[in-house]
Amino acid sequence: AQKITQTQPGMFVQEKEAVTLDCTYDTSDPSYGLFWYKQPSSGEMIFLIYQGSYDQQNATEGRYSLNFQKARKSANLVISASQLGDSAMYFCAMTGGYQKVTFGTGTKLQVIP
Amino acid sequence: GAGVSQSPSNKVTEKGKDVELRCDPISGHTALYWYRQSLGQGLEFLIYFQGNSAPDKSGLPSDRFSAERTGGSVSTLTIQRTQQEDSAVYLCASSLVLGQGNTEAFFGQGTRLTVV
Repeated sequence: AQKITQTQPGMFVQEKEAVTLDCTYDTSDPSYGLFWYKQPSSGEMIFLIYQGSYDQQNATEGRYSLNFQKARKSANLVISASQLGDSAMYFCAMTGGYQKVTFGTGTKLQVIP
Repeated sequence: GAGVSQSPSNKVTEKGKDVELRCDPISGHTALYWYRQSLGQGLEFLIYFQGNSAPDKSGLPSDRFSAERTGGSVSTLTIQRTQQEDSAVYLCASSLVLGQGNTEAFFGQGTRLTVV
């Protein structure tokens, strides 16, 4: 079975600072994928970034990067130069084999001006 | 369609009535998921379809909840004898299935259900 753990229910960050959102996972599948989603107050779920378990390099998408540490089973999201529009709920998720996408409980990020 | 489509976008129903929520996934996506989200809370997994079969329906909260998927496409989530605690946003998502795991899930805009 797959499991995603997000231990930070809420976080604050100063505008223009970088912030790291934690995510650890557990799976028995040798091949898997890790995702991050953003959910602003409008409610839509926005896909941010993907990391494959066999990818040699950490994934990056603009200001988002995924700090993938396979041995520690962690897939933390790093947001650089935070903006007010980054205030939202962030979900970590994973999939492996033919299993469904499994989501964490989310971290609420608030960017302070 | 271009994205996952859910209908209705809003539904207000009286306690005890049955409701049907519809999800039209992205064409070609064999995996389909239903989640429930209460205000300010995380995603509560309800059911997962792979084609027309549901290998994981462990999240359905009670026997008042059921879901089906026909033709490997459209899915309907039915809630019978609705209760006030059923009030939430119901999100549908779909994804491709690959051997190394599903691709990212694409979400619909959700159906906001209010039971009065």
